[in-house]
Amino acid sequence: DIQMTQSPSSLSASVGDRVTITCRPSQGISNDLDWYQQKPGKAPKRLIYAASNLQSGVPSRFSGSGSGTEFTLTISSLQPDDFATYYCLQHNSYLLTFGGGTKVEIK
Amino acid sequence: QVQLVQSGAEVRKPGASVKISCKPSGYNFISYYIHWVRQAPGRGLEWMGIINPKGGTTSYGQRFQGRVTMTRDTSTIYMELSGLRSQDTAVYYCARSLGAAGQDYWGQGTLVTVSS
Repeated sequence: DIQMTQSPSSLSASVGDRVTITCRPSQGISNDLDWYQQKPGKAPKRLIYAASNLQSGVPSRFSGSGSGTEFTLTISSLQPDDFATYYCLQHNSYLLTFGGGTKVEIK
Repeated sequence: QVQLVQSGAEVRKPGASVKISCKPSGYNFISYYIHWVRQAPGRGLEWMGIINPKGGTTSYGQRFQGRVTMTRDTSTIYMELSGLRSQDTAVYYCARSLGAAGQDYWGQGTLVTVSS
C-alpha cells in the first residue's frame, strides 16, 4: 500500500493567517490526490480533487498544488469556519489511503 | 439531489458480525463506485474498500482482507465486517466516487459499538 505522511499533525493559527499543510506519499502518485475538511460529528467534505482542482462551492481561499511525491493544501486567509481537521487522500491505485490528518486550531 | 442514506447505529459483542447498508439516490446507481471509510473515536479516517455497483467487483484494504465483505443489490450497497473486536468501534461511512477516485458525496455515518 502507498503510505501518506501528512504534516503537521496539528497547528494553531489566527484568523487571516496563511496556512499550509503537506502530504508526501511513499511513492509517486501523479496528481491522484484529494483534500478533505472534516468538522466534529460530520462527514468529510472534499475541497480539492486531482491535486489542484477546487471542488464546486468551495471558497477560493483554498488551493492545492503538487504532483508525484509532494502535495500542498493552502488556505490563503484563514476564516473562523476553517477551524477543522484536514485530510489528504491518494487514489493512485485500487488501494486508497488517507493521510493522518491535520487539526487546525484557533491561536 | 444526491444522497447516500446509511442504516442506523449497531451494538455488537466481540466476535460477532455487523452488516451496514448504504442506499444512494439522486443519480444513476451503477455509474459511481462506493467506498467504505471508518473513523474510530478521536482518530483519523481509514479507507476500508471499494465496490463497483455495476459488476460487484471489490477491492479491500489489506487490514480488512478476510474480515470485510462488500456487496450490492439493485439499489443498495452493504458492508459486512466479521470477527469484531473493541478496536472496530467506529463511525462507518459510505461515499461515492467516479471510478476509483476521491469521494464527492458521503453518507451520514453509522456508529458501530463493539462491547461485551
